[in-house]
Amino acid sequence: KAGVTQTPRYLIKTRGQQVTLSCSPISGHRSVSWYQQTPGQGLQFLFEYFSETQRNKGNFPGRFSGRQFSNSRSEMNVSTLELGDSALYLCASRFSTGFVGYTFGSGTRLTVV
Amino acid sequence: SQQGEEDPQALSIQEGENATMNCSYKTSINNLQWYRQNSGRGLVHLILIRSNEREKHSGRLRVTLDTSKKSSSLLITASRAADTASYFCATDEIKAGTALIFGKGTTLSVSS
Repeated sequence: KAGVTQTPRYLIKTRGQQVTLSCSPISGHRSVSWYQQTPGQGLQFLFEYFSETQRNKGNFPGRFSGRQFSNSRSEMNVSTLELGDSALYLCASRFSTGFVGYTFGSGTRLTVV
Repeated sequence: SQQGEEDPQALSIQEGENATMNCSYKTSINNLQWYRQNSGRGLVHLILIRSNEREKHSGRLRVTLDTSKKSSSLLITASRAADTASYFCATDEIKAGTALIFGKGTTLSVSS
């Protein structure tokens, strides 16, 4: 079956702009989580959606937001980009909660200039 | 914020040798997971060990968990060049809900 698909793979934006990243989970997976990875802070949890509802949120400013659609596809949006938002953004999905691991996408590499 | 600390930060070994990575964490967990990441790409789930388990095997991987010491180890036996990657432990904290808390990772380099 197809894996987790993230688009676009690479993105270059200017400070102050906004950006939307997309994630298509594995078919049948209802839980979608987003993580930010930077050299300095490592992997940090952004938020998790389950059946179109945000179930958990990490410690990020309100400029970071997300949503999930009825087909489980998810988007995250970052408004008023800052240089520090440059990172690899990873999406992960799993069928439900419990004792199962996540399947990650290849990520979107965002560079803010 | 990061929960776990991996040790060592970097590890270089020869093909055929075993590689051991350690992870320590701070609070009560539901389970602990190990992931591999190749060159800044997506993470690949390797193995999950529940808080009531002490050891688990999967192919050449062996994971142990000591909840009293809040630590885990990942052993890769008979390493191959293809095992070269970064390895992360991630804890599923009881109080963090559905968020995985990752350590900073161990970079493993296997030379032939």
